Amino acid sequence: EVQLLESGGGLVQPGGSLRLSCVASGFTFTNYAKSWVRQAPGKGLEWVSSISGTGGSTYYADSVKGRFTISRDNSKNTLYLQMNSLRAEDTAVYYCAKEPYKGVYGEFDCWGQGTLVTVSS
Amino acid sequence: DIQMTQSPSSLSASVGDRVTITCRASQSISSYLNWYQQKPGKAPNLLIYAASSLQSGVPSRFSGSGSGTDFTLTISSLQPEDFATYYCQQNYSTPYTFGQGTKLEIK
Repeated sequence: EVQLLESGGGLVQPGGSLRLSCVASGFTFTNYAKSWVRQAPGKGLEWVSSISGTGGSTYYADSVKGRFTISRDNSKNTLYLQMNSLRAEDTAVYYCAKEPYKGVYGEFDCWGQGTLVTVSS
Repeated sequence: DIQMTQSPSSLSASVGDRVTITCRASQSISSYLNWYQQKPGKAPNLLIYAASSLQSGVPSRFSGSGSGTDFTLTISSLQPEDFATYYCQQNYSTPYTFGQGTKLEIK
């Protein structure tokens, strides 16, 4: 069974940093691109970032470019999102999602349960 | 950025009804259009990809159509478990963008 399990969320002050992790199981990790998608409380879905299966290609939303970094450790079947210079508007549930291909395609066929990030003083 | 606009934003319907949700892109996206279902407190679930392909495990009462800028999601006969929020999403180009959602409620 394909599973994605996020962790690392929590309360952080504006300007602070946080690293989210997403551990995958049930499939060959390196064969598929991964993405982060977030959802502010009571709001819709917003794509954040994607990384190819090999990690060689990365993409970011303008709202996080230069502040967030997506990466993966294929030996640990883990996807990361390093978030720096956090702002109140980054408050959201962050989901990791698997894509159906090794290259980034923007189709999210399996999602984790999400981890809540709250940016507040 | 490509803007995705769904209509209606909310919809009341009864079990057994046929329901259609529409999604319009601000520019042509060919068939690079996906539909997701999200229940309260849960992660989204992929229903339809490439505008009209049914994701594995999704009931056949769900169907999608359209290309270019106009798309529809149809539920042929609503079941109690279908009351949820539905999102369209384009994967034609980054940034990948979602519609604002359509909340389907029980009448």
